[in-house]
Amino acid sequence: AQSVTQLDSQVPVFEEAPVELRCNYSSSVSVYLFWYVQYPNQGLQLLLKYLSGSTLVESINGFEAEFNKSQTSFHLRKPSVHISDTAEYFCAVSDRGGFKTIFGAGTRLFVKA
Amino acid sequence: NAGVTQTPKFQVLKTGQSMTLQCAQDMNHEYMSWYRQDPGMGLRLIHYSVGAGITDQGEVPNGYNVSRSTTEDFPLRLLSAAPSQTSVYFCASSDQGTGGYTFGSGTRLTVV
Repeated sequence: AQSVTQLDSQVPVFEEAPVELRCNYSSSVSVYLFWYVQYPNQGLQLLLKYLSGSTLVESINGFEAEFNKSQTSFHLRKPSVHISDTAEYFCAVSDRGGFKTIFGAGTRLFVKA
Repeated sequence: NAGVTQTPKFQVLKTGQSMTLQCAQDMNHEYMSWYRQDPGMGLRLIHYSVGAGITDQGEVPNGYNVSRSTTEDFPLRLLSAAPSQTSVYFCASSDQGTGGYTFGSGTRLTVV
């Protein structure tokens, strides 16, 4: 069985500062890893994913995440955040079958002016 | 617009009542899942399906039933509502898991 731990429940940061949202997972098998974003009163949207290959994956809006197999981590980073990045971010893991996806508890990113 | 449609958006039930949350997708996705979202607990998997006629339990299946008679539809049934089932429910679908899930907009359920 897989599990996901998001190490920070809330992360306040000033606009244009860098941010890292931490995610650790556990699994006895190879996994796929995902980051989702949820804006207030909306469903979740896929931000980026790691399936295989390059351990560094990027999103279209400047986020990136790096898969670290030895540390079983998949931390999300952005070098300079905007007010519009304020949202809740969820890390998720699935086995290589991809059908049973388990989510972390979420990290609320709050960007201050 | 293509996507995942959930109905209703809001519902209030009395303890002991039953109801069905509807979910439909028009992307011909094989995988569908139901999650509940509670503050501080993230999303927890209730039931999932890998195709028509095939369902399985997730992390918190007690008190819920599902069926998958067609590729498009995946309804979630609450058999006898309890206050502990007050939550926001999300339905999601995926082509084969590698693309990640597309989520519906959610159903906010209150059981009194």
